[in-house]
Amino acid sequence: AQSVTQPDARVTVSEGASLQLRCKYSYSATPYLFWYVQYPRQGLQLLLKYYSGDPVVQGVNGFEAEFSKSNSSFHLRKASVHWSDSAVYFCAVSMGTSNTDKVVFGTGTRLQVSP
Amino acid sequence: EAAVTQSPRSKVAVTGGKVTLSCHQTNNHDYMYWYRQDTGHGLRLIHYSYVADSTEKGDIPDGYKASRPSQENFSLILELASLSQTAVYFCASSWTHYEQYFGPGTRLTVL
Repeated sequence: AQSVTQPDARVTVSEGASLQLRCKYSYSATPYLFWYVQYPRQGLQLLLKYYSGDPVVQGVNGFEAEFSKSNSSFHLRKASVHWSDSAVYFCAVSMGTSNTDKVVFGTGTRLQVSP
Repeated sequence: EAAVTQSPRSKVAVTGGKVTLSCHQTNNHDYMYWYRQDTGHGLRLIHYSYVADSTEKGDIPDGYKASRPSQENFSLILELASLSQTAVYFCASSWTHYEQYFGPGTRLTVL
């Protein structure tokens, strides 16, 4: 079955440290890939997206992600986190392009940045 | 900028009552979605639509109906609200299968 896995429910890092949030998917073709962020009591906002081309994509606020076809992964990275990055991060995968194909969201990773 | 609005932003309903959640988008997007989010959990797709006057079932459609009377508007209807439907509901829109734009959410409490 098509699925998206975010193996880390919670991640705690110190301010200024580097960050990697993991995302793996199960899908036979190359999907469209997304990372969203959700701040408390808000809706989800797009951080970055991958459709094709360069496997490393840049997003807002210094975030980047790397697509790996061989590993079926789309990990999110940031070189130096700030306390304001504390939020929940969702990986999402668009599995197909027909009208009834859906976007599948991972269960999210809650990031806590400690001072 | 893309805009998705939801109303109401919060609602308290009684068990067995009817609840209608509304969503409006000004993005000219073809797809619209309704998700629910339970505390500490991810998003679960309830219903979606890729064209006006047509809706599709998502992963958890039981107990919910949806209506898409126009490209801009998409409603979620709980005919007989139950305690288990207490959650935050998000509407989103997108152009085909590209990135989704989310509304601010509606916090529904069923008592």
